[in-house]
Amino acid sequence: DADVTQTPRNRITKTGKRIMLECSQTKGHDRMYWYRQDPGLGLRLIYYSFDVKDINKGEISDGYSVSRQAQAKFSLSLESAIPNQTALYFCATSDLRGGLETQYFGPGTRLLVL
Amino acid sequence: GENVEQHPSTLSVQEGDSAVIKCTYSDSASNYFPWYKQELGKRPQLIIDIRSNVGEKKDQRIAVTLNKTAKHFSLHITETQPEDSAVYFCAASRYGGSQGNLIFGKGTKLSVKP
Repeated sequence: DADVTQTPRNRITKTGKRIMLECSQTKGHDRMYWYRQDPGLGLRLIYYSFDVKDINKGEISDGYSVSRQAQAKFSLSLESAIPNQTALYFCATSDLRGGLETQYFGPGTRLLVL
Repeated sequence: GENVEQHPSTLSVQEGDSAVIKCTYSDSASNYFPWYKQELGKRPQLIIDIRSNVGEKKDQRIAVTLNKTAKHFSLHITETQPEDSAVYFCAASRYGGSQGNLIFGKGTKLSVKP
């Protein structure tokens, strides 16, 4: 879905480095999410935001922070990257139009922490 | 909070056979149950969903059933084809309000052998 974009698509970094993953959307949705995907563990929620002034921790927020710069932008930061943060990261957006929580995912960012 | 269990974690079927994936949920207030398909190297995408006021929903070769009393729901794929090979995720949520975020199962890797 080209309406949700993520940059970078791939990133290699070293332990201790600070990195930022960015997500942008043109769908006009209020809700945005960051997930990480690991083999066998499915999609785990890191942080979510229901509007610009609302930030909430998800299941696995330790070691991560986020910033909702605008309705369309939601960034995920790893303050000091560690190897077990190596994963595939997805941003997603949704709204509750019709009362249904359909989420639209970005293409993913593959992160390798050495 | 909500917990979603998904089984099996892997499933292999012959082309033309049926495939069934089952999920259970813990929160009796959950009332929206979507299924996402993730093809290799791609993003998860919604394929079908069901609300709690409906017991079954069909869309061509796929169907979802819901048993609210037992708190479980299932995805049924008939006449499987190689392009059905993917990872499938179930999810549950209370739609609306501040608790609308989805809780995902850990995924089922479906392989359809020609």
